[in-house]
Amino acid sequence: NAGVMQNPRHLVRRRGQEARLRCSPMKGHSHVYWYRQLPEEGLKFMVYLQKENIIDESGMPKERFSAEFPKEGPSILRIQQVVRGDSAAYFCASSPSFGGTYSNQPQHFGDGTRLSIL
Amino acid sequence: QKEVEQNSGPLSVPEGAIASLNCTYSDRGSQSFFWYRQYSGKSPELIMFIYSNGDKEDGRFTAQLNKASQYVSLLIRDSQPSDSATYLCAPSNQAGTALIFGKGTTLSVSS
Repeated sequence: NAGVMQNPRHLVRRRGQEARLRCSPMKGHSHVYWYRQLPEEGLKFMVYLQKENIIDESGMPKERFSAEFPKEGPSILRIQQVVRGDSAAYFCASSPSFGGTYSNQPQHFGDGTRLSIL
Repeated sequence: QKEVEQNSGPLSVPEGAIASLNCTYSDRGSQSFFWYRQYSGKSPELIMFIYSNGDKEDGRFTAQLNKASQYVSLLIRDSQPSDSATYLCAPSNQAGTALIFGKGTTLSVSS
């Protein structure tokens, strides 16, 4: 499967635990984006990363959330000390390049991780 | 706060009709515009993208962009029941580093 791969598909955590969500971009893509979709809400941008660099994290909550995209391996979205309000679908998308402001490259989405907090 | 507005619907059309989905956006700096389709419980699927004012056609889909009016639309010709889904309008932010999504319009195509 050459698409964006996310795992796990479903993740259940108790309040206070840590959640780690993984994303492998499409083959040939080096740009990764994370979005969150709360129940009955639209998709909200969280962070944009290239290999070993965070380019735009303007949508990340100030506390408990972090993201990385190491030189080797998948991108990781980490949520520490989860709370009930973190329950959502977390989607990863990738693009082959930046493309620039005037021809932004299309982003292709993975199947998402559904995070449930007990 | 930059916003994207879409009618939530549901927009109901009979099979074979034209479905017209509309979107307005507030960020004048947006330069790239994307339409995604999302089936219930599934991930967004890219349908169309458009960068320049005017129309862009791809099969049964036509995207229309008017930057002066901050308006973008998607037309679906010969609508099929399989087109029933939520359609998400997503302009890029001014820097081109993120997409700003509307809440989507739910389309229902009846056979």
